[in-house]
Amino acid sequence: EAQVTQNPRYLITVTGKKLTVTCSQNMNHEYMSWYRQDPGLGLRQIYYSMNVEVTDKGDVPEGYKVSRKEKRNFPLILESPSPNQTSLYFCASGTTYNSPLHFGNGTRLTVT
Amino acid sequence: QKEVEQDPGPLSVPEGAIVSLNCTYSNSAFQYFMWYRQYSRKGPELLMYTYSSGNKEDGRFTAQVDKSSKYISLFIRDSQPSDSATYLCAMNAGGTSYGKLTFGQGTILTVHP
Repeated sequence: EAQVTQNPRYLITVTGKKLTVTCSQNMNHEYMSWYRQDPGLGLRQIYYSMNVEVTDKGDVPEGYKVSRKEKRNFPLILESPSPNQTSLYFCASGTTYNSPLHFGNGTRLTVT
Repeated sequence: QKEVEQDPGPLSVPEGAIVSLNCTYSNSAFQYFMWYRQYSRKGPELLMYTYSSGNKEDGRFTAQVDKSSKYISLFIRDSQPSDSATYLCAMNAGGTSYGKLTFGQGTILTVHP
C-alpha cells in the first residue's frame, strides 16, 4: 500500500530536549515536505526537499532542521524544542514539486 | 495580508445541498491549484488538482479557477454526511517558487442527515 508513515503519532516532551520525528514514503517520490498545522493558521510549510541531499526552507523554518540522505526518508529535527513548537505536524511526498501530495497521518507534538 | 484567504466557516448544510467553498489569493504567479479534504485526526487527502484557469469535474465535485479574479472554488453537489470534513485549498507558483505550496486556513463543513 502506497503511504507516508510518520512516527511517533503523539509526543509530549519538555523544553530543550532534542527530538526527531521520522517520515518515510514507499512511493519512490522525489519531493518531500514538512508542514505544521495550527488553529486559525492552517498548514504552513517548514522545509521541503526536491531530491536526495537537496533541501530548502519553507515559510516557518526557524527552530527546525531536516536531512535527506535517502530518497524515502525525511526526518524533522527539533534541536531545542520550545512551547511555541507545540503543533500538529504533517509530512508529505509527491512525484515532483507541483504534483499532488500524499500526506502522513500527522504527529501531535506538545512541548511543556 | 495572507497570500491565500479562505473563509474558515464553519459551514453547516442539510444532506443533498450544493456546497460552495472558495479561496482568494494575491500572488498572480500561482498556476497550480488543489483542493484537499481532511477528516479529523487524519492527514489531508487530494480531491482536485487543476492547472491554470478553467473548470474540472470529478463525480460530485467541480473545481473552478478564475485567474483574472484570483479566485478558486470547489462545488460539492448532492452533499452527503460523509463529506463532513475540513476542506483546504492549496496553490503553487512553480518556476522560481518551485517546492513551495501555500495553503488556505481550511473551511470546516458539516453535512446534516
